[in-house]
Amino acid sequence: RKEVEQDPGPFNVPEGATVAFNCTYSNSASQSFFWYRQDCRKEPKLLMSVYSSGNEDGRFTAQLNRASQYISLLIRDSKLSDSATYLCVVNYRSGGSNYKLTFGKGTLLTVNP
Amino acid sequence: DAGVTQSPTHLIKTRGQQVTLRCSPKSGHDTVSWYQQALGQGPQFIFQYYEEEERQRGNFPDRFSGHQFPNYSSELNVNALLLGDSALYLCASSLLAAAYEQYFGPGTRLTVT
Repeated sequence: RKEVEQDPGPFNVPEGATVAFNCTYSNSASQSFFWYRQDCRKEPKLLMSVYSSGNEDGRFTAQLNRASQYISLLIRDSKLSDSATYLCVVNYRSGGSNYKLTFGKGTLLTVNP
Repeated sequence: DAGVTQSPTHLIKTRGQQVTLRCSPKSGHDTVSWYQQALGQGPQFIFQYYEEEERQRGNFPDRFSGHQFPNYSSELNVNALLLGDSALYLCASSLLAAAYEQYFGPGTRLTVT
């Protein structure tokens, strides 16, 4: 089983649609969770951290369910500029101050006019 | 405030050759991590450097080696290149104490022919 698994995609949605991305992780000792965004042929950039209480940033809402080892990202009222690959990222603390980010494969989103 | 920089941007090499990629971390950061991102995949952790030493390593062969200099900049070396080494190589910098919060450089796209 892969450490971090995401919806395979791709997702094609019209402007204004709501789209949800799902992610599961296998290591129950994982400590922190993130969604990154990666534009075509660019580097990944942190979109938002994910907390158990859920967190919202404008049109973006992230949720974490530790019991189910499940992470989600919801984008409301999608814009053309939201088109990108969304990467689910899990941080493992492997001992002392050693942190290791593990990335999912990513889900490609295309928002159409 | 300069972000993470990498050089070169693109590189074409032949099987069996050796390559060196370079990274300068974000100002104030002391830790550098390297990732390999193959087409259609998420970034895969190669290794992490702090205080000029390799602290952690992912599942990559010994052909992949690195170095960190006193000014925190880093190099990734790959020997005996294989076609499968063709990928985007990403450098990310952070503070050791917060190595889960990483900032990525634009990457070096390596093509092995």
